[in-house]
Amino acid sequence: DTEVTQTPKHLVMGMTNKKSLKCEQHMGHRAMYWYKQKAKKPPELMFVYSYEKLSINESVPSRFSPECPNSSLLNLHLHALQPEDSALYLCASSQGGYGNTIYFGEGSWLTVV
Amino acid sequence: GQNIDQPTEMTATEGAIVQINCTYQTSGFNGLFWYQQHAGEAPTFLSYNVLDGLEEKGRFSSFLSRSKGYSYLLLKELQMKDSASYLCAWRVTGGGNKLTFGTGTQLKVEL
Repeated sequence: DTEVTQTPKHLVMGMTNKKSLKCEQHMGHRAMYWYKQKAKKPPELMFVYSYEKLSINESVPSRFSPECPNSSLLNLHLHALQPEDSALYLCASSQGGYGNTIYFGEGSWLTVV
Repeated sequence: GQNIDQPTEMTATEGAIVQINCTYQTSGFNGLFWYQQHAGEAPTFLSYNVLDGLEEKGRFSSFLSRSKGYSYLLLKELQMKDSASYLCAWRVTGGGNKLTFGTGTQLKVEL
């Protein structure tokens, strides 16, 4: 089973709202990721958590705040977003921090109005 | 620098074979992945190459030549459901498990 579950599937939020995207996996994976994908573009890495610690932050603006409460959960807190932040946000996980296949969730479609 | 190139679009006929190429110029290369992505869906893992040679998985095969900075994905017995974007992604040494994706090749399978 290579299932990564993301909620919500769709989210519409105003520029002054605070919302969160959630991701869960029960494969025992110890690395989790957030990617952002705009239409007709490849996914772009935002954050990597390895063993519940933030290991990579790709210079993401502070209006995006990741959180890893435990090894199975990954959140992305959103605050004061801009319309250009509208995109598909993909969560992914892998068995270890290095050398393992990365499996993606179905994604959360975010629209900022 | 880290550059990866794929053709933007390809069209092939149902039942045929198609080869999607991916070339890269990057230092510290340490593995190349292929993913399939249907419109509006998440990328699905297809294959992984870290050593030179061909990896075969059913109708899909992937080849890597590290000395040439070149990989391809070979799809046999094409089906209409194979119409999708195909993304190659590479991992670099010392980059943790960070994947960087190419721009993707949009494959259209026609009757």
